[in-house]
Amino acid sequence: DTAVSQTPKYLVTQMGNDKSIKCEQNLGHDTMYWYKQDSKKFLKIMFSYNNKELIINETVPNRFSPKSPDKAHLNLHINSLELGDSAVYFCASSLGRGRYTEAFFGQGTRLTVV
Amino acid sequence: AQSVAQPEDQVNVAEGNPLTVKCTYSVSGNPYLFWYVQYPNRGLQFLLKYITGDNLVKGSYGFEAEFNKSQTSFHLKKPSALVSDSALYFCAVIKTGANNLFFGTGTRLTVIP
Repeated sequence: DTAVSQTPKYLVTQMGNDKSIKCEQNLGHDTMYWYKQDSKKFLKIMFSYNNKELIINETVPNRFSPKSPDKAHLNLHINSLELGDSAVYFCASSLGRGRYTEAFFGQGTRLTVV
Repeated sequence: AQSVAQPEDQVNVAEGNPLTVKCTYSVSGNPYLFWYVQYPNRGLQFLLKYITGDNLVKGSYGFEAEFNKSQTSFHLKKPSALVSDSALYFCAVIKTGANNLFFGTGTRLTVIP
């Protein structure tokens, strides 16, 4: 059973398109995240949701919009894709606020904008 | 700023030799420190964490890490490296008052047969 699953695994699209990445966790965690890993392998937090409430929104272009229909799902929608958006996007989940526990990561979505 | 630093981009070690991947931290308050491993084209896998208690923390796949408060370090170690340990290793910290991980820049470990 996959704990944190995200789809698709690969996404190739043209500049200007709109795309979504879906994420689901079956761990019963309260908090979910989106991280971006760039070509140099740097990992940076983008968003964090706790029980469907946005609690972290780092400096990310407003073309990126997370949506959490319930605490088991956190989707990432990207409008007007740009070349610089090419990266690997990781979804993760953890127990939640105030509990300093590890996060569990999905396999990643490799987004390539051409 | 609260952060972790991984001073080595690349570490090479011969199979069977002990390995160390370095991490130093800079946080206010209590540090909550983690190590993750990333194999090629895979997600990040949790190895171990230090929250409180014993300074020597044991984790998955025979890895361990030593929390050293005086040196503000949390180096990852393994007594005998395997070729299959070759991967990208990330040190991470949870900032005080938050719950998201803040990652170091990563260290690529290559174990030479």
